[in-house]
Amino acid sequence: NAGVMQNPRHLVRRRGQEARLRCSPMKGHSHVYWYRQLPEEGLKFMVYLQKENIIDESGMPKERFSAEFPKEGPSILRIQQVVRGDSAAYFCASSRTASYNSPLHFGNGTRLTVT
Amino acid sequence: GESVGLHLPTLSVQEGDNSIINCAYSNSASDYFIWYKQESGKGPQFIIDIRSNMDKRQGQRVTVLLNKTVKHLSLQIAATQPGDSAVYFCAEKGVVAGNMLTFGGGTRLMVKP
Repeated sequence: NAGVMQNPRHLVRRRGQEARLRCSPMKGHSHVYWYRQLPEEGLKFMVYLQKENIIDESGMPKERFSAEFPKEGPSILRIQQVVRGDSAAYFCASSRTASYNSPLHFGNGTRLTVT
Repeated sequence: GESVGLHLPTLSVQEGDNSIINCAYSNSASDYFIWYKQESGKGPQFIIDIRSNMDKRQGQRVTVLLNKTVKHLSLQIAATQPGDSAVYFCAEKGVVAGNMLTFGGGTRLMVKP
C-alpha cells in the first residue's frame, strides 16, 4: 500500500528555468495539498486541489507558480522562471475526504535547489 | 533542558526520560489540532490529534494536552527513545471541511543515549 509518492526527490535548476514537481496521492485519495518548507521552519500551505479543480490557492504566489491535478496522472506543481528564493522543500499531502479529521498523509518531499 | 537556537528551539533529553514539547497556537477559531513528527529528509508523520472539545488524549507512549484558555498545546512522550529524535510540529485547523492545516514553527527533540 504505497504512500504519497513525490518525484524527483532532489531537483537542481538554474535561475530562469522551469521546475516541475510531481505528486501521486495515496490510492483512493482525491484531495491533494502542496506545502513549502524552508530550512528550520514549519510547512506553509500553498494550494489544495481535488481532481481537475483548484479548491484553495490562497498560499500560492500570484506569479510563476501553478498547480494542477488532472483526471488521470499525478498532481503537478510548476514553477516558471525559478529564482534563488524558490529553493525549498516542497511537500505534497493527500487525504481521502475533505473532512476536518481525514488525516493528511505526506510524501517525503522534493528538495528544489536553484543555482 | 530547553534552549532557543538560531532557528528551531531544541529540547535535549536523556533516553528513558519523559519529554514535553509545547506549542502556542494563534487562531482561537481552530477546532482541531495535530502533532506531526518529521525526521531528517522525510515528510511529516502523523502522531496524534485532538479536537477542541477534549482536554487530553492518549496514544501509545504519547499524550496530547490542550488548554484552550491560553491557546496552548503540549505533546508528552513517555520513556523517550533515540528513535524519537526528530522535529515535532503542531498543526491547527478549523472543522470546516477543506480548511487548511496551519503548522507551527517546530521543536527539535534530541535524545541522548
